Amino acid sequence: NAGVTQTPKFQVLKTGQSMTLQCAQDMNHEYMSWYRQDPGMGLRLIHYSVGAGITDQGEVPNGYNVSRSTTEDFPLRLLSAAPSQTSVYFCASSTGSGYGYTFGSGTRLTVV
Amino acid sequence: AQTVTQSQPEMSVQEAETVTLSCTYDTSENNYYLFWYKQPPSRQMILVIRQEAYKQQNATENRFSVNFQKAAKSFSLKISDSQLGDTAMYFCAFRPIQGAQKLVFGQGTRLTINP
Repeated sequence: NAGVTQTPKFQVLKTGQSMTLQCAQDMNHEYMSWYRQDPGMGLRLIHYSVGAGITDQGEVPNGYNVSRSTTEDFPLRLLSAAPSQTSVYFCASSTGSGYGYTFGSGTRLTVV
Repeated sequence: AQTVTQSQPEMSVQEAETVTLSCTYDTSENNYYLFWYKQPPSRQMILVIRQEAYKQQNATENRFSVNFQKAAKSFSLKISDSQLGDTAMYFCAFRPIQGAQKLVFGQGTRLTINP
């Protein structure tokens, strides 16, 4: 049981480049979310999904795009990377039963 | 919208001491879940303890326990007999039962256990 798998673990981008952070879970969880973690600010919600085909914006969605074509996968796309998007990104998934979310191991992204 | 506040950016205690981390939250919901997550230097987010708002009894997991005060909207974490491996960032989080059930985090408390 792999849980939540995020790739890559580290990435360096140049300003203006685009990329996709991959997230996959094998627990048949309907709820999935993307967070970014910055010092002193905790984890802030970027986008979330309550099931395949359903996504919505979180607290800090600008510059990011998501889709959820299957229950398992929830990729996060950076459209045109900016230095302000330098952060650690976490993908998480959960059932709807009130249990905590299970997190991936995170991606450290640096935009230069 | 729900908000979660952790007022202690950093704390430091000696090994074997007891430490309490504070968390307050704001919500108009009556039923919800509260969590404490631990993030060691490995960066992995680890669920420490979970509390259901409709249960008055405080949750306990081995050396970890909570003091849940629903009326005061307070949810503190007590770590007893602290160990060096408890050194980590600790995040308080709120999840409503209704709707999209988004998890909302506090800013975190950096806890250092000194030998």
